[in-house]
Amino acid sequence: QKEVEQNSGPLSVPEGAIASLNCTYSDRGSQSFFWYRQYSGKSPELIMFIYSNGDKEDGRFTAQLNKASQYVSLLIRDSQPSDSATYLCAVKGGDYGQNFVFGPGTRLSVLP
Amino acid sequence: ETGVTQTPRHLVMGMTNKKSLKCEQHLGHNAMYWYKQSAKKPLELMFVYNFKEQTENNSVPSRFSPECPNSSHLFLHLHTLQPEDSALYLCASSQEPSGDDEQFFGPGTRLTVL
Repeated sequence: QKEVEQNSGPLSVPEGAIASLNCTYSDRGSQSFFWYRQYSGKSPELIMFIYSNGDKEDGRFTAQLNKASQYVSLLIRDSQPSDSATYLCAVKGGDYGQNFVFGPGTRLSVLP
Repeated sequence: ETGVTQTPRHLVMGMTNKKSLKCEQHLGHNAMYWYKQSAKKPLELMFVYNFKEQTENNSVPSRFSPECPNSSHLFLHLHTLQPEDSALYLCASSQEPSGDDEQFFGPGTRLTVL
């Protein structure tokens, strides 16, 4: 069974702290990994994607991929209240095929 | 209009009604998707269209009927729905389904079935 798992949260962090969001996937052949942010009542929007093992940084966001452990994470540095949202992990490739398989999302709350 | 648009944004319907959801993308993409998002559940892929041809039907009940007249427009025809079909229905598009291109989502239609 194809699965993408995330802690549902809520994950609460104080403003200025580092928020760490985690995602595990079941198919070792997966090739592409995406992080989407979804504000309440809004549609998902892409934050980052990563294909290779290691870290990828974009501003305050860092995606980390470890294919051996089947684990992808998103770090948000200097968290702001505006970062409060649900973060969706999506996986593509391998047995997941050409389509995205989404995790259930982690709700992040950044406290002022 | 830019990006992906969806109409209506909100829809309330009875179980015997027939209604349609509309999606339009202004991005020149070749692939379009319908997703269902229910509370506390992952996004569920329903249908995929690539160059107007349906390439995926994810075991969706026949009371949901998609239509893709061209690469820019996608419809979801609804009939005899059940209350458990109440959810947010999201349309998305991408350049093509086989690449690593991101999917761009529309704002969604919040559907309530009474």
